[in-house]
Amino acid sequence: AQRVTQPEKLLSVFKGAPVELKCNYSYSGSPELFWYVQYSRQRLQLLLRHISRESIKGFTADLNKGETSFHLKKPFAQEEDSAMYYCALSLSSNTGKLIFGQGTTLQVKP
Amino acid sequence: NAGVTQTPKFRVLKTGQSMTLLCAQDMNHEYMYWYRQDPGMGLRLIHYSVGEGTTAKGEVPDGYNVSRLKKQNFLLGLESAAPSQTSVYFCASSYARGLGNYNEQFFGPGTRLTVL
Repeated sequence: AQRVTQPEKLLSVFKGAPVELKCNYSYSGSPELFWYVQYSRQRLQLLLRHISRESIKGFTADLNKGETSFHLKKPFAQEEDSAMYYCALSLSSNTGKLIFGQGTTLQVKP
Repeated sequence: NAGVTQTPKFRVLKTGQSMTLLCAQDMNHEYMYWYRQDPGMGLRLIHYSVGEGTTAKGEVPDGYNVSRLKKQNFLLGLESAAPSQTSVYFCASSYARGLGNYNEQFFGPGTRLTVL
């Protein structure tokens, strides 16, 4: 069955510390994975997608098919990174359906 | 452009009451989705639509109905609300495959629903 797992509900780090938000997936096909972010009082929005291999706001994520993981990383956390982060798996390109993980709240302390 | 809008923003219902949540998008997107967000559960897909006049069930469709009579609108109905439907509801839309960044979903601000 298709599944996305984010094992941490809350990740708390100090400003300037490295951050790694974990995401593991289960999918028999060729996965397309995304990270979405929801800042306080803002809408959920796309942060990055694995096919773009881009760095957004200092965040990167590498798809590891062997470990079925798509962890989100940033070398130096900033207070403005505090938000809820969701990992998502695309099920079908014909419908655009996504399966979301449970979400991880990142708290960056000053 | 307003993007994706949702009405109402908040609502309190009594068990057994009915209501309709409205989602509207002005980006000419083909695909639209309704999710519910619950603590520890993430976002779960309720229903979705790949075009005007078409709808399909998602992961948690029971107790909900939807309609897409116009391309820009996607309505979510609760016929007989239950406390288990207390949640935050999000609507999203995206391009169809082959058009733009088809797999990026654009979200509305959410509707907070409480069923007593």
